[in-house]
Amino acid sequence: DAKTTQPNSMESNEEEPVHLPCNHSTISGTDYIHWYRQLPSQGPEYVIHGLTSNVNNRMASLAIAEDRKSSTLILHRATLRDAAVYYCILRDDRNYGQNFVFGPGTRLSVLP
Amino acid sequence: GAGVSQSPSNKVTEKGKDVELRCDPISGHTALYWYRQSLGQGLEFLIYFQGNSAPDKSGLPSDRFSAERTGGSVSTLTIQRTQQEDSAVYLCASSFGRGVYEQYFGPGTRLTVT
Repeated sequence: DAKTTQPNSMESNEEEPVHLPCNHSTISGTDYIHWYRQLPSQGPEYVIHGLTSNVNNRMASLAIAEDRKSSTLILHRATLRDAAVYYCILRDDRNYGQNFVFGPGTRLSVLP
Repeated sequence: GAGVSQSPSNKVTEKGKDVELRCDPISGHTALYWYRQSLGQGLEFLIYFQGNSAPDKSGLPSDRFSAERTGGSVSTLTIQRTQQEDSAVYLCASSFGRGVYEQYFGPGTRLTVT
C-alpha cells in the first residue's frame, strides 16, 4: 500500500472548522483514501472514504485534490469530542490482503 | 446493534505464561482482523481472516503468536511464552467482506506482561 504523510499534531478552537491534511504522492489509480480516528482509550472508528470525488457524511467531508496526491478531512464545527488521533490510509481495492497500514496519524487537540 | 466485543478488557500476566484474547465480530461480517498498538504508537497489523479462506498471517511477529477463527465467527489470539515486549493493546476489527468496506473496531484488550 502507498504511504501517506500527515502532520504530527494540530490544534483547533471549539466550534471552528478543522482541515486535516494528508499527502499521498505515490497513490495509484485503484487506491481508496480512508480516514479513521481514535479517541482516547478506544479502538479506531471509521470516518469517511473516497476515491476521486469529494465526499460528505454526517461526521465530516473529504476533499480530494484533482491529481489525488493529497486530500483533506474537514470537520465543519469541531467539538471537544473530536479530539483524537486522525489516520489517513490508502487502501487498494485489488489487494485482498485487507490489512490497513496505520501510520502515526495527526493528533488533534480541540480547545474550549 | 452490537458492535465488536473483546475480552478480557485488561490482562496482566507474568513473563513466560500463555494468554488467550477473544474477539466477537459483528454478526454477518466475514472479515476479521487483529492489530496491536504499543503505547503512543500506530496500529500494527497481525492477522486477517476472510470467510473460509486461509488466513493472512503475514503480520504475526513470531511463532509465539497464533490465531484461530471458529465457525467463521469468534476469534482467539494466543500468545505463548509471553515477553515484556508483548505488552500492548490488542485490537480486533471486522468488516462486511472484501474490498473497501470500513472496519469496525472493538475496544481492545490491554495486555501487560510483568
